[in-house]
Amino acid sequence: GAVVSQHPSRVICKSGTSVKIECRSLDFQATTMFWYRQFPKQSLMLMATSNEGSKATYEQGVEKDKFLINHASLTLSTLTVTSAHPEDSSFYICSATVGGTAGYEQYFGPGTRLTVT
Amino acid sequence: EDKVVQSPLSLVVHEGDTVTLNCSYEVTNFRSLLWYKQEKKAPTFLFMLTSSGIEKKSGRLSSILDKKELFSILNITATQTGDSAVYLCAVRGSNYKLTFGKGTLLTVNP
Repeated sequence: GAVVSQHPSRVICKSGTSVKIECRSLDFQATTMFWYRQFPKQSLMLMATSNEGSKATYEQGVEKDKFLINHASLTLSTLTVTSAHPEDSSFYICSATVGGTAGYEQYFGPGTRLTVT
Repeated sequence: EDKVVQSPLSLVVHEGDTVTLNCSYEVTNFRSLLWYKQEKKAPTFLFMLTSSGIEKKSGRLSSILDKKELFSILNITATQTGDSAVYLCAVRGSNYKLTFGKGTLLTVNP
């Protein structure tokens, strides 16, 4: 099946700094990538959808200036958490699908656990 | 607003038991329903269902969709301790985004 990787798997940063998380589709080209966050014992919450070469579409309540998403190529999307605060500590997961429309299987990366101190 | 409800929220069984996990949904212009298994990391894809009545099977796991009654079930036979995980159901509607249920926490005891 399709493989999605994320880097880093775990990061600890100080409050006020920025953190970049990379998401790559390893064996397929992903026209659409999704970024989720998950709090303990809760389900996945979609943050934004990114299509290669265009601006990301953010879900209601997600600050686009705080969570910068760049989908520079068909195999790479990045999420940058700017000026991180302790409340941004969470599990961030990217996901990719081919074609970007319904009917396609959607695969998840292994996730990045962010801790802001 | 799309909605996915999974039941039960948690389940404890013994190895060898058979379990059935339920997922009901309300979605605008249904496209597909997906099942995932989540252990300590991100969800692992299990099945994608788009048509009613066609069972999808992978080893001891199987799933079926009923688009008339708006639900799906995931069956696991001869459960093993390695099946312990949260099982997530998600649906995709006309906006192509996945809406997830809260998951079913399955614990399989030896």
